[in-house]
Amino acid sequence: GAVVSQHPSRVICKSGTSVKIECRSLDFQATTMFWYRQFPKQSLMLMATSNEGSKATYEQGVEKDKFLINHASLTLSTLTVTSAHPEDSSFYICSASRDRGPYEQYFGPGTRLTVT
Amino acid sequence: AQKITQTQPGMFVQEKEAVTLDCTYDTSDPSYGLFWYKQPSSGEMIFLIYQGSYDQQNATEGRYSLNFQKARKSANLVISASQLGDSAMYFCAMREGIQGAQKLVFGQGTRLTINP
Repeated sequence: GAVVSQHPSRVICKSGTSVKIECRSLDFQATTMFWYRQFPKQSLMLMATSNEGSKATYEQGVEKDKFLINHASLTLSTLTVTSAHPEDSSFYICSASRDRGPYEQYFGPGTRLTVT
Repeated sequence: AQKITQTQPGMFVQEKEAVTLDCTYDTSDPSYGLFWYKQPSSGEMIFLIYQGSYDQQNATEGRYSLNFQKARKSANLVISASQLGDSAMYFCAMREGIQGAQKLVFGQGTRLTINP
């Protein structure tokens, strides 16, 4: 299957600081990437859809000023958690979608964020 | 309303037996895609199999097959000859529309444990 990388895999930060997570599609160009959040023992919840060269589309209830998404190239999308709080601690997973049918999404390995 | 329902929080199966993981969905869109993903303890989401709403035949990928019953709105995953490495969380997901990269909605998942 296709390879999507995420960096860092784990990060611990202090409250009030910002953290940037990178998502890279390594072997195909992805016009569209997605950012998900997963709480322990729960399913994935879509946060936003990241489109190359345009603004991200956020799901209802997700603060766009807190979770900044930038999709500057066809292989890289970044998620920045600004002014992090302990409740932002979670597992963040990105995915990259192929630009041809069936448009399956390939997921990165995830980033575990802990805010102290 | 829940769009994807996985009614089995946990399944326990003996090695080498076949296992069926249930998934039902709800949509009024005639065009949709159904996906199954595997999430081992490492956290990475692994794409297993895809079924389009207009596909006439059930999808198969190696030991994985999808039992697609459109009238019943079910898309059960069948794993033949289970292996210890199949132990993981399994998520069913749906994408409404079949053209272009669209967001996925995930079910709550089923934790599959393969016993030796």
